[in-house]
Amino acid sequence: NAGVTQTPKFQVLKTGQSMTLQCAQDMNHNSMYWYRQDPGMGLRLIYYSASEGTTDKGEVPNGYNVSRLNKREFSLRLESAAPSQTSVYFCASSEASRGRVYGYTFGSGTRLTVV
Amino acid sequence: DAKTTQPPSMDCAEGRAANLPCNHSTISGNEYVYWYRQIHSQGPQYIIHGLKNNETNEMASLIITEDRKSSTLILPHATLRDTAVYYCIVRGYSSASKIIFGSGTRLSIRP
Repeated sequence: NAGVTQTPKFQVLKTGQSMTLQCAQDMNHNSMYWYRQDPGMGLRLIYYSASEGTTDKGEVPNGYNVSRLNKREFSLRLESAAPSQTSVYFCASSEASRGRVYGYTFGSGTRLTVV
Repeated sequence: DAKTTQPPSMDCAEGRAANLPCNHSTISGNEYVYWYRQIHSQGPQYIIHGLKNNETNEMASLIITEDRKSSTLILPHATLRDTAVYYCIVRGYSSASKIIFGSGTRLSIRP
């Protein structure tokens, strides 16, 4: 049982380049999330998908786009990378249904450096 | 989602109980209290959650006050591996409800 898998684990981009961070979960969770964490800071929500076919902005969505490809996969795209997007990116998934709640499961992170 | 307030740092002797406080005075009736921790730069790890009753699992205990405006996470026998940043979060129960992280408490366990 792999849980939440993120690829790649490390990436260096030049300013202006684009890339897509991949996330997949095998727990049949409905909800998926993308967070970023800057050095010495807490996690900030970029985008989330409450269920397949829906996406919503979080606290810091500017400069990013997301795609909920299917129930398993939720990708994060940087169209034109900037040095301010240097961060560690975490994907998470969770399940909640009426009357029951569950914790988030996080991936191990993608460490992105934009030079 | 309600906001939480935690002390920025705490320390505890190895083998003793670590008690981490959290204030969430604006919590609403359908919001749960969650605790997560982040060890070094790994992904956050779920610890425990509760609504109004005290909860216990293999990792920790969660004590929620009767008015639900504050809670305490208890690690009964802290070890060096419990050194981490601990986040207290309030979240609604629906699948659309998202987790907003604060700055957490950095817990240091001293030998």
